Amino acid sequence: GQQLNQSPQSMFIQEGEDVSMNCTSSSIFNTWLWYKQDPGEGPVLLIALYKAGELTSNGRLTAQFGITRKDSFLNISASIPSDVGIYFCAGPDNYGQNFVFGPGTRLSVLP
Amino acid sequence: DVKVTQSSRYLVKRTGEKVFLECVQDMDHENMFWYRQDPGLGLRLIYFSYDVKMKEKGDIPEGYSVSREKKERFSLILESASTNQTSMYLCASSLTGGGGSNSPLHFGNGTRLTVT
Repeated sequence: GQQLNQSPQSMFIQEGEDVSMNCTSSSIFNTWLWYKQDPGEGPVLLIALYKAGELTSNGRLTAQFGITRKDSFLNISASIPSDVGIYFCAGPDNYGQNFVFGPGTRLSVLP
Repeated sequence: DVKVTQSSRYLVKRTGEKVFLECVQDMDHENMFWYRQDPGLGLRLIYFSYDVKMKEKGDIPEGYSVSREKKERFSLILESASTNQTSMYLCASSLTGGGGSNSPLHFGNGTRLTVT
């Protein structure tokens, strides 16, 4: 079935640094969704991408829909302590009813 | 903003009890979903519904049932709770089918259920 892979699995960065993470698949996705989950909370939608090559920003976050439709990237600029959490990518399954989720990238920001 | 509200943040139940988890969304979304999230296993779909009174099994429906009597409300029922159902339960909704234009998934805050 469809699978999403995320890298890195986890990362530790200094406050103020930029962060880059990606999501890849062996199959094509027509939509890429990026979520952030804080401990004990539900995932919150950060950015939704609908078109190959699309580059979308949300504050310090920027995400891109890969040209091949098999990958997507999320960048965070000038990280701050509240960026700590798990970042998930997701996309619709082949039937268009449900969603496929990546395993997440756990981000830690050191002061 | 879309709001998905789960009735309880934390629940502690005993083995064998019948448990109801309630979820309400306020954006007239067609689709609603119940997931459970466990360390190392990610998000797993239990049931989903694409219309009132309609339900479809997800990947792990055993031990669960659902009810959707009204469009805005989707309930997850544990008929006889067991310790292996201790988990974080997440409700979500989307406007139409999975991930189509303007149809991303929106999650509630989650219910942490402990079965003792």
